[in-house]
Amino acid sequence: DTGVSQNPRHKITKRGQNVTFRCDPISEHNRLYWYRQTLGQGPEFLTYFQNEAQLEKSRLLSDRFSAERPKGSFSTLEIQRTEQGDSAMYLCASSLGGYANTGELFFGEGSRLTVL
Amino acid sequence: AQSVTQLGSHVSVSEGALVLLRCNYSSSVPPYLFWYVQYPNQGLQLLLKYTTGATLVKGINGFEAEFKKSETSFHLTKPSAHMSDAAEYFCAVSENTGNQFYFGTGTSLTVIP
Repeated sequence: DTGVSQNPRHKITKRGQNVTFRCDPISEHNRLYWYRQTLGQGPEFLTYFQNEAQLEKSRLLSDRFSAERPKGSFSTLEIQRTEQGDSAMYLCASSLGGYANTGELFFGEGSRLTVL
Repeated sequence: AQSVTQLGSHVSVSEGALVLLRCNYSSSVPPYLFWYVQYPNQGLQLLLKYTTGATLVKGINGFEAEFKKSETSFHLTKPSAHMSDAAEYFCAVSENTGNQFYFGTGTSLTVIP
């Protein structure tokens, strides 16, 4: 296993278009997180899954954002009707939860979104 | 509620000098504490973590950090800076259940030759 994989790595879109990002976590990790990072800021929590269940969502996650993890493996993050303020790096991370929790997040390299 | 404050968004040190990056946290429960490093165009990598036990933790590349509960601090140090240490460093805190992680705004480290 080569780690957390995200694609596309870069996405340029016009305002109002929909975009979808995919994250493939480390295979044995049951927890998957989405973060957003803007220039000069640390990662901001968006949402996380334990297996296929979405357990928590940030208030940052507006109704235009939706995330899924249908089979408890890969996850998608969709942004509908993109706005220029959505331009950011979208980070995915995975971890072991429960009794195997080592308290560590493993990050992918991120998907950079630019909304024109 | 949990939060992290990193003092100093930019730190410059000379090669061979001590590196000290500051992190203070707020947590209502026993925290897990982390330092991550982000090199240009790369994902965040774990440098070190504190969960339980010894309060002085050692990480990769010669970095270490000490958990001081009385000061609610988890400062990152390295005795001698190397050019390859130039990067963005993020402190993070989570509950000991690891349900959610909160990151600081980051400190950009510049190493001057």
